[in-house]
Amino acid sequence: QQQVKQSPQSLIVQKGGISIINCAYENTAFDYFPWYQQFPGKGPALLIAIRPDVSEKKEGRFTISFNKSAKQFSLHIMDSQPGDSATYFCAAATGNQFYFGTGTSLTVIP
Amino acid sequence: GAGVSQSPSNKVTEKGKDVELRCDPISGHTALYWYRQRLGQGLEFLIYFQGNSAPDKSGLPSDRFSAERTGESVSTLTIQRTQQEDSAVYLCASSSHRGRDGYTFGSGTRLTVV
Repeated sequence: QQQVKQSPQSLIVQKGGISIINCAYENTAFDYFPWYQQFPGKGPALLIAIRPDVSEKKEGRFTISFNKSAKQFSLHIMDSQPGDSATYFCAAATGNQFYFGTGTSLTVIP
Repeated sequence: GAGVSQSPSNKVTEKGKDVELRCDPISGHTALYWYRQRLGQGLEFLIYFQGNSAPDKSGLPSDRFSAERTGESVSTLTIQRTQQEDSAVYLCASSSHRGRDGYTFGSGTRLTVV
């Protein structure tokens, strides 16, 4: 059973546009929601993370929106750049147990 | 070291042979995880070590897979009698008890079974 559901599977965005990736979860014990960025041939790297006591966290062009009641969270990439082209994974954690979404392949067209 | 180190970075093996993959976690990280990532797929949890506690082996796909870790040091993932379906990237990650923001992945071992 997939603990974290991620969509879309792939996304194509024009340079300068907004990329939005969504995730949903069921387990209310999750208390940490990170996003990871993975370039080809590399391991995933932490991009940004949020805890459920806030509804939004912004770091540069990257924003996490968190809706606790709906058990959903999303990653917004503003002013998307070709260098943002990568695979993005959402995750949810309780303690040191991490559960990952299936990933979204983002392509930003120049 | 500064990051999680995995070796080898690439491994080609013949079907039926055993392989051993190595992970060197970040020094001081008590937790260590193994994941499998098939081409174009997400991260499939395999096994989780936390300090000296019994490992969580719930993700291991078959008894051909096993992993060991001594204390908070190196871990090895062993796949016996490899099958073509085992072809994937095997990722290791480690984290500190101090904070989950330090959850760090290695670059993985790309295993190809021919």
